[in-house]
Amino acid sequence: QLQLQESGPGLVKPSETLSLTCTVSGGSISSSSYYWGWIRQPPGKGLEWIGSIYYGGITYYNPSLKSRVTLSVDTSKNQFSLKLDTVTAADTAVYYCARITVVEAFDIWGQGTMVTVSS
Amino acid sequence: EIVLTQSPGTLSLSPGERATLACRASQSVISNYLAWFQQKPGQAPRLLIYGASTRATGIPDRFSGSGSGTDFTLTINRLEPEDFAVYHCQQYGSTPYTFGQGTKLEIK
Repeated sequence: QLQLQESGPGLVKPSETLSLTCTVSGGSISSSSYYWGWIRQPPGKGLEWIGSIYYGGITYYNPSLKSRVTLSVDTSKNQFSLKLDTVTAADTAVYYCARITVVEAFDIWGQGTMVTVSS
Repeated sequence: EIVLTQSPGTLSLSPGERATLACRASQSVISNYLAWFQQKPGQAPRLLIYGASTRATGIPDRFSGSGSGTDFTLTINRLEPEDFAVYHCQQYGSTPYTFGQGTKLEIK
């Protein structure tokens, strides 16, 4: 069955760029039925949608992060990626990637990866 | 942006009882695209309900969702020990997609 796996550095320095990749296995990222998204959860807090991308490159971003976020997709590697610029301690969180359908919402999630912003 | 408010913040119940969790939206949720997720410590959220009332694949029928417009409810009948967790509602009808702050269901 379809699985998603986040990867990337667990520690990022303030003012630098956070970069994460989500690898999709057991299915194609190029399916026309799905979007792919990123969600984060600061320690002890709620969930925040960061943005979503379609395999063709169409993107949707949370306005609260839009100026600092870039999503991209690499269909040859069956991966999609997140870049978050100029990070601060407030960006410390568990970052999840997920599959999104129009009707069934965020139906499959990766296990999440903890990213700490600290010098 | 649609703000989702969940109540109560914490619900203390015993196994075998019924849990009723509420999610209120600041404006109508388009197409009733409201989802419920269960999250256990150290785990990713798990989709329970989508479209306000449709159970996701593999979800037991003791979980049910209802509501429309701005008021939604997740009901869990006959609580099992594994049901004690945090529950999140989410609207995905319009961007930015937003989540409620969560309801913690704890064992009494």
